[in-house]
Amino acid sequence: GIQVEQSPPDLILQEGANSTLRCNFSDSVNNLQWFHQNPWGQLINLFYIPSGTKQNGRLSATTVATERYSLLYISSSQTTDSGVYFCAVNRREGDNQGGKLIFGQGTELSVKP
Amino acid sequence: DSGVTQTPKHLITATGQRVTLRCSPRSGDLSVYWYQQSLDQGLQFLIQYYNGEERAKGNILERFSAQQFPDLHSELNLSSLELGDSALYFCASSVGQGRDQPQHFGDGTRLSIL
Repeated sequence: GIQVEQSPPDLILQEGANSTLRCNFSDSVNNLQWFHQNPWGQLINLFYIPSGTKQNGRLSATTVATERYSLLYISSSQTTDSGVYFCAVNRREGDNQGGKLIFGQGTELSVKP
Repeated sequence: DSGVTQTPKHLITATGQRVTLRCSPRSGDLSVYWYQQSLDQGLQFLIQYYNGEERAKGNILERFSAQQFPDLHSELNLSSLELGDSALYFCASSVGQGRDQPQHFGDGTRLSIL
């Protein structure tokens, strides 16, 4: 099945710094989403981005589907950005004709004041 | 607020017991998904229902079962609970069958087995 790798596994930033998180996937995908899991465990949907570029405030994301990677940019980071960032993909293949999402292991971000 | 409602938020029970987790999807969404997040396995897909029918299945244990009712809410039943079943269980929903569209996640049910 498809593999999803995220890097870096951990990241510590000072408030106000910028960062780039990467998600590599091993095959073509139909769906790619970025999530933020906050310290309370909630999974917040950041972007649905199977291809192209999107921006939402200080966050933006780019997926280059032909090269099988996606990037999440966080600018002017704030302490509330702390948590774990997950990339998840869906690929229709074989018995999987539904919407099963396969998650990467996540990047744990800590923003210090 | 994603619009997906999960109850209860927390559940504490003992080994060997049975529990039921409930999920109400966003208004208009026909698909419901269940995921398990544990420390050792990460976030893993369990099962998907679309308009009342099972649509896709992941590595769901035989002790676990789910269903989607005519009003589209879903329940995940976990039986003969073991310590390793302690995890955060998420429900998600999407408009269609999950192809080429986002999934929206509830806040999860945190299950602790003592």
